Amino acid sequence: SYELTQPPSVTVSPGQTASITCSGDKLGDKNSCWYQQKPGQSPVLVIYRDDKRPSGIPERFSGSNSGNTATLTISGTQAMDEADYYCQAWDDTTYVFGPGTKVTVL
Amino acid sequence: QVQLQQSRPGLVKPSQTLSLTCAISGDSVSSNSATWNWVRQSPSRGLEWLGRTYFRSKWYNDYAPSVKSRISIDPDTSKNQFSLELNSVTPEDTAVYYCVRDGGYSWPQFDYWGQGTLVSVSS
Repeated sequence: SYELTQPPSVTVSPGQTASITCSGDKLGDKNSCWYQQKPGQSPVLVIYRDDKRPSGIPERFSGSNSGNTATLTISGTQAMDEADYYCQAWDDTTYVFGPGTKVTVL
Repeated sequence: QVQLQQSRPGLVKPSQTLSLTCAISGDSVSSNSATWNWVRQSPSRGLEWLGRTYFRSKWYNDYAPSVKSRISIDPDTSKNQFSLELNSVTPEDTAVYYCVRDGGYSWPQFDYWGQGTLVSVSS
């Protein structure tokens, strides 16, 4: 079965750039997306189709996907961005999620 | 604005059937471009996609291999909702269950999520 891997945690200072990676075999050949989840809330789509932002998502969120790695970048990170982030891809007939990365703004 | 309203949380006994419904407003379960999904989340398994139903001239279903033998996801066009049934549950099925719309016709795009329902499996 297809697997996605993410670092368990990323720490970033306010105003700096956070980069979260998601790795999977030939992930660049698939459409990836990213979700943000804050405690006690449902996940929120922040990036789809590798690098597209849904309406209402701030421009500081961006995405890329090439080779075996997709990356979510948060530029000018704010305290409100502290959350868990999950990548997702579609493999054959199954949606697969990464294990999640906890972003701490410190 | 699409909204997904899930049925109430519950306690299910081992070996019994877990049943949830998801009422849709702002879209149709018979949409020709969306799919309607169930996802669960637990500390041990993280986010796990369970399956989907969708309409493309006829109804289709896809299920995750991990639950394929005991899951059913069905649309109810009269009530504009869809349901999840998971048979023969064990404590490992304890999780928060979400209904989710995938609004991306050709790529994954889980753009609307229900509020989540905590289901506990315990005797």
